[in-house]
Amino acid sequence: GQQLNQSPQSMFIQEGEDVSMNCTSSSIFNTWLWYKQEPGEGPVLLIALYKAGELTSNGRLTAQFGITRKDSFLNISASIPSDVGIYFCAGIAGGTSYGKLTFGQGTILTVHP
Amino acid sequence: SQTIHQWPATLVQPVGSPLSLECTVEGTSNPNLYWYRQAAGRGLQLLFYSVGIGQISSEVPQNLSASRPQDRQFILSSKKLLLSDSGFYLCAWSRYRSDYGYTFGSGTRLTVV
Repeated sequence: GQQLNQSPQSMFIQEGEDVSMNCTSSSIFNTWLWYKQEPGEGPVLLIALYKAGELTSNGRLTAQFGITRKDSFLNISASIPSDVGIYFCAGIAGGTSYGKLTFGQGTILTVHP
Repeated sequence: SQTIHQWPATLVQPVGSPLSLECTVEGTSNPNLYWYRQAAGRGLQLLFYSVGIGQISSEVPQNLSASRPQDRQFILSSKKLLLSDSGFYLCAWSRYRSDYGYTFGSGTRLTVV
C-alpha cells in the first residue's frame, strides 16, 4: 500500500531556531496535509495543500506541495516552546482512495528555551 | 459547526476486562468515522473505519472490534483486554470523499494493568 516516509524522526532545537521537516512517497498524492499533535491531545490540522507547487503559510509555518506530487515539506521559523509536539504529514490520493488519509510516522519536536 | 466528542479521557482497566470507548460527532450527517491507536507517542495506526451505519472495515487483525449503531456514533470494544491493548486511542471523522482531511477527537489514554 501507499506509504509516507517522514523525516527526521525527532528534532531537538533551541528556541529561536528554524525547523524543517519533510515527507516523501513513491506514489502521487493529490492533497498534502500537515497536522500537529500536542501531548495528550488529538492531532490538529495546520496546513492543507491542494496543488502541485503550492506554497502556503500559516503564521510562522510554511508548507509546500512538491512539484512531482510525491513530497511535501513543512518549515517553522523562529521556534518557540509551544511548538513542541509531534508533526504528522498526511496525503490523499485520487481514485478509489479519494478522501482516505495516509499518514507519515511523525516528527517529534522538542524546543529548549 | 461540527464537533467530535470522545470519552473517557483516561481509563485504567485490568487484563481480561471488557472495553467500550465511545465517539460521537455533532453538526454533520453521514460522516466517515475512524478509530486510530497510537503507541508510545508515535505513529497513528488505523484500526477501523466506517462509511455508514453498520458498515465497519478492519485494517488490522486484533483483539478489538468496532460498531456504528447510529449515524454519528462509533464504538470501540473488546471482550477481554490484553496488556498490549494499552495505548492512546483516537477517533476521527471526515466528510465522504473529502480532501479536507480528518478532524480528531481529544483521545482516550487506555492503560491495561
